[in-house]
Amino acid sequence: DAKTTQPTSMDCAEGRAANLPCNHSTISGNEYVYWYRQIHSQGPQYIIHGLKNNETNEMASLIITEDRKSSTLILPHATLRDTAVYYCIVRVDEDSSYKLIFGSGTRLLVRP
Amino acid sequence: DGGITQSPKYLFRKEGQNVTLSCEQNLNHDAMYWYRQDPGQGLRLIYYSQIVNDFQKGDIAEGYSVSREKKESFPLTVTSAQKNPTAFYLCASGQQETQYFGPGTRLLVL
Repeated sequence: DAKTTQPTSMDCAEGRAANLPCNHSTISGNEYVYWYRQIHSQGPQYIIHGLKNNETNEMASLIITEDRKSSTLILPHATLRDTAVYYCIVRVDEDSSYKLIFGSGTRLLVRP
Repeated sequence: DGGITQSPKYLFRKEGQNVTLSCEQNLNHDAMYWYRQDPGQGLRLIYYSQIVNDFQKGDIAEGYSVSREKKESFPLTVTSAQKNPTAFYLCASGQQETQYFGPGTRLLVL
């Protein structure tokens, strides 16, 4: 079962920030939060991940609440090419390996 | 170019037939993964391999088989025991904390 809850769909205007929320209220202390996105009929693309601290890279920022029960992915200046399904994922560690548990994601539509 | 390749892009299977999906990576990653995606759904893990000659079942392994004879290759066989094989199949490889995905193979049953 997916360990995250996301809105089914969202939209934002081109050039504006897109803020995608995610709830992971049952997350354990050592489980990471990952974000991937998938453009139609392609493989998912890694965006960012974090444990406790906020993270930023060239694609996005990840804001994790202090209690770690929710997070927000921020695309600072959305473009039309950012239209995709965005997956918020909790990484589950098992022995020496790990699994990414995907939910249904948020379909983001960037409007011209 | 470095990356993960999957072939073919589209594959058609007849009833009762086994088919094998190819996944190759030249990223020197130890771990490789197979996922299945149904329309409008997220990805579900079929099998994964952390090292050559070793692999583990994921959440939906029934009707599938894999092998890991080489570090670069992790083929997936969809057997006749898989009663609903029509789906989008995605292969990934990873090192440390991140998985990278291939372009996928779409399997259709005739």
